[in-house]
Amino acid sequence: KAGVTQTPRYLIKTRGQQVTLSCSPISGHRSVSWYQQTPGQGLQFLFEYFSETQRNKGNFPGRFSGRQFSNSRSEMNVSTLELGDSALYLCASSGLTSGDVKLYNEQFFGPGTRLTVL
Amino acid sequence: GQQLNQSPQSMFIQEGEDVSMNCTSSSIFNTWLWYKQDPGEGPVLLIALYKAGELTSNGRLTAQFGITRKDSFLNISASIPSDVGIYFCAGRGSGTYKYIFGTGTRLKVLA
Repeated sequence: KAGVTQTPRYLIKTRGQQVTLSCSPISGHRSVSWYQQTPGQGLQFLFEYFSETQRNKGNFPGRFSGRQFSNSRSEMNVSTLELGDSALYLCASSGLTSGDVKLYNEQFFGPGTRLTVL
Repeated sequence: GQQLNQSPQSMFIQEGEDVSMNCTSSSIFNTWLWYKQDPGEGPVLLIALYKAGELTSNGRLTAQFGITRKDSFLNISASIPSDVGIYFCAGRGSGTYKYIFGTGTRLKVLA
């Protein structure tokens, strides 16, 4: 089974621009979560989607948004980029809510997108 | 942002030694996950724990779900050079789909 894929792997943008990152979950997984990882703040939760609905949101400004498509693929968008947005953005997918707690709870990460804002 | 307390922050050990690290929370969790992350890569799931007191092994790795449900422990036995990396814990309580991550333990193994 293919793992979580994220595109692009690396991205360089300038302040004020906007960026869209893509995540394809493991086949059959319906939950996708996004995280921001920086040396200073560690792994911070951005949001989680399940069946095209945002179920949970972290404490990030409205410049950070996301969506999920009917095939479970997800995108996140950051508008008006700031220098502090430079980070590794990670996507994680989880299995179906099938009553099997293992499938539901285990999150598998993609390789991440390294965003650099100049 | 919210993070779990994870210790030690970093450690140097000799190859062949056993390693212990732990993670503590101020909240009760229903699930604990342990990950390892190599430079430039995403975290890889090592062990998942679902019940207080549960002890689960994955090869040389053993993790435990603390009985208070506010902590978890990871042990690595007979460490080898490829154990080098950053280990993260992650916990989730009831009624939320959000995981909170630990601050990470950076492990360096001296051959």
